[in-house]
Amino acid sequence: DAGITQSPRHKVTETGTPVTLRCHQTENHRYMYWYRQDPGHGLRLIHYSYGVKDTDKGEVSDGYSVSRSKTEDFLLTLESATSSQTSVYFCAISPWTENRTQYFGPGTRLLVL
Amino acid sequence: GQQVMQIPQYQHVQEGEDFTTYCNSSTTLSNIQWYKQRPGGHPVFLIQLVKSGEVKKQKRLTFQFGEAKKNSSLHITATQTTDVGTYFCAGQESNSGYALNFGKGTSLLVTP
Repeated sequence: DAGITQSPRHKVTETGTPVTLRCHQTENHRYMYWYRQDPGHGLRLIHYSYGVKDTDKGEVSDGYSVSRSKTEDFLLTLESATSSQTSVYFCAISPWTENRTQYFGPGTRLLVL
Repeated sequence: GQQVMQIPQYQHVQEGEDFTTYCNSSTTLSNIQWYKQRPGGHPVFLIQLVKSGEVKKQKRLTFQFGEAKKNSSLHITATQTTDVGTYFCAGQESNSGYALNFGKGTSLLVTP
């Protein structure tokens, strides 16, 4: 597996609190992505980054923000967590090639009460 | 925007039976990729198809890319319990695109 870690791996939080998930890579890949996975919806892209400080929105970006101050770290913040954001969150990385093969991290299970 | 549809959503087979999942894109793709996710795990890259009509094999798995580069299929011959999981296709619309468009996946259950 590619060198990708996510932290925390599990988190329980309350509605209205801010939450930050971290993705760390040791592959020096240019592209990084945040997905959420929910039953019946597959993998939905939240935000992605194509370089340090270069980010853009995916299809389900409302309520989420991201930051990438270093190549190796991509942070996902839930500004005010809601129960609808209970999900499994995956980070993925992709090298600078024509074909965006993605390598996924182990995931973070988030429960918002 | 591009949409990738994948069918069936679920498939339950007896061990030894064959299995096929299909993927269709609303637009022409530059390449299509397949991923497998075991229960409780994360998606893992299986293969990439680039050329029109391309066929690739990995042991009991056969992957095809349509002539029009808008559809693809994954066929597993003689399923085993180790094949259990969800299979996702993911299409890339152009070489300049930053992201892949994932299908919703096909969950395969194999009973002995």
